[in-house]
Amino acid sequence: DAKTTQPPSMDCAEGRAANLPCNHSTISGNEYVYWYRQIHSQGPQYIIHGLKNNETNEMASLIITEDRKSSTLILPHATLRDTAVYYCIVRGDNYGQNFVFGPGTRLSVLP
Amino acid sequence: GAVVSQHPSRVICKSGTSVKIECRSLDFQATTMFWYRQFPKQSLMLMATSNEGSKATYEQGVEKDKFLINHASLTLSTLTVTSAHPEDSSFYICSARDINEQFFGPGTRLTVL
Repeated sequence: DAKTTQPPSMDCAEGRAANLPCNHSTISGNEYVYWYRQIHSQGPQYIIHGLKNNETNEMASLIITEDRKSSTLILPHATLRDTAVYYCIVRGDNYGQNFVFGPGTRLSVLP
Repeated sequence: GAVVSQHPSRVICKSGTSVKIECRSLDFQATTMFWYRQFPKQSLMLMATSNEGSKATYEQGVEKDKFLINHASLTLSTLTVTSAHPEDSSFYICSARDINEQFFGPGTRLTVL
């Protein structure tokens, strides 16, 4: 079973920041928080991941709370092409571990 | 970033036939590859974990004799759906892991008539 909970859907206006929350209250000390997204009929696309510290890359920012029980993915300036299902996944650093996908959040960016 | 390809991207077959799906890591060697299945409006469900040179490990409820997985090299894994039936129609996605990251293929949409 997935170790995360996310809202099933969210809307965001084009050009505004999209803030996608994720709860992972049972996260272990060696587990990372990963974010992927899936645009319709495509494979999942990696966005960002982190352990404790906040992370930023060209796609998004990841804010992890100090107790690591929740996190927020921020798309700073959402575009229509960001409409997708966003998955928050926790996974340990063991090489053989796979990703367990929950239902994710369906983000709709509206013009 | 690393790229994972799948072939074919889309396949339609008759009930009772077998279909092979290829998954390749294009610019890295993947000791471990994963196969997922996704039904409409549902999330990805792991079917099996494939390690190069050894037998795949199947998730509970996935028939190993129906979904044959071969991971013959560090860059290629194949999934064969044997005696396909309409209920096997789904979106099949492979994933390959290098040292640090896990990358997903674009998926193969299988339709069994």
